[in-house]
Amino acid sequence: EADIYQTPRYLVIGTGKKITLECSQTMGHDKMYWYQQDPGMELHLIHYSYGVNSTEKGDLSSESTVSRIRTEHFPLTLESARPSHTSQYLCASRTGSGNTIYFGEGSWLTVV
Amino acid sequence: AQRVTQPEKLLSVFKGAPVELKCNYSYSGSPELFWYVQYSRQRLQLLLRHISRESIKGFTADLNKGETSFHLKKPFAQEEDSAMYYCALSHSGYSTLTFGKGTMLLVSP
Repeated sequence: EADIYQTPRYLVIGTGKKITLECSQTMGHDKMYWYQQDPGMELHLIHYSYGVNSTEKGDLSSESTVSRIRTEHFPLTLESARPSHTSQYLCASRTGSGNTIYFGEGSWLTVV
Repeated sequence: AQRVTQPEKLLSVFKGAPVELKCNYSYSGSPELFWYVQYSRQRLQLLLRHISRESIKGFTADLNKGETSFHLKKPFAQEEDSAMYYCALSHSGYSTLTFGKGTMLLVSP
């Protein structure tokens, strides 16, 4: 089924650990996005990609990095997690010409 | 810079009452406006967009460029409408969305 998948859904890790949040979409979308959302707050764009080997930083500065080696994958990595990284991370995608953005279910990250 | 403002964090109404969720934006160009909704334990999903001028689940929204608003309205609220609603803006020709802080709608029986 065409969808956008995020793993893990929930993660609790210790400070200083490296983590990768996975995002895959089976809709053949060119454009993919990572948003960060703290509880009760708005979504902030942290990274986006227009296609393979294309990555850009979003409106909110983030210590995370992303890669886009394959169209369907857009993983987000934190080299050394800190408590300030505790948040929900939402992956999204859209077609090149469409203006509807589809969201994944989100990954809740807690850094202790 | 583009900005989306949703002045109400929480809107509580009774079933059958009219609902209006406010959204104001600031942008100098030609914006595209959207409403996204997130029901409990579900992912964020598109509700409607101003280009389509459609009614989804009884909700409508009209873009008022003079007042820079895109308020979401429904004449008779239902309990299943309880959710978090986000207004979002995209610059025409660009593909990123700027979101408001969201408004939680609670519809009581």
